[in-house]
Amino acid sequence: DAGVTQSPTHLIKTRGQQVTLRCSPKSGHDTVSWYQQALGQGPQFIFQYYEEEERQRGNFPDRFSGHQFPNYSSELNVNALLLGDSALYLCASRSLQGTGELFFGEGSRLTVL
Amino acid sequence: KQEVTQIPAALSVPEGENLVLNCSFTDSAIYNLQWFRQDPGKGLTSLLLIQSSQREQTSGRLNASLDKSSGRSTLYIAASQPGDSATYLCAVQSRFSGTYKYFFGTGTRLKVLA
Repeated sequence: DAGVTQSPTHLIKTRGQQVTLRCSPKSGHDTVSWYQQALGQGPQFIFQYYEEEERQRGNFPDRFSGHQFPNYSSELNVNALLLGDSALYLCASRSLQGTGELFFGEGSRLTVL
Repeated sequence: KQEVTQIPAALSVPEGENLVLNCSFTDSAIYNLQWFRQDPGKGLTSLLLIQSSQREQTSGRLNASLDKSSGRSTLYIAASQPGDSATYLCAVQSRFSGTYKYFFGTGTRLKVLA
């Protein structure tokens, strides 16, 4: 049973560029959420997708956008990258009808130069 | 807004000690509480989930308790080992504006010395 998988694991971009991160949820899960984690901090909620629609959004600008596909996988897009966007980006999945337990992937480490 | 605090921020102990990590939250109307482990630069691994109707959950050497009325949870680690060294995060799921959201603490960084 594959867990949550994310790609790429590491990437380096320059200011102003755009990035796309990908996530495949745990088997049987239909809800995907994205988090940003700065060094030494807890994860900060970006948004959650269910049935291919954004259902909740945290306090992040419109430069952060996402998508969920019919197979429940998801993408996180960040436009016009800033130095402050450097962080570990975590994807989590759960079943909307389940216990609410979250399962996380290994994350994508983004460095913006 | 729900705020989650974890104390202590860091802890260093000799191998074999029993440990207690604390998590407090400001709004007691929670749906569940989940404890995670995070190794440096890695994702979060789920340790224990406690539903709002439960008082505790156990898995191996780990025991987590929940006291909703006082807004507290504790993670007890028995007979600590060097392999337990990691950051431990708690997350509370609360209902706001008709939807459920997760709120994370900043974690307790644990180091178990051999």
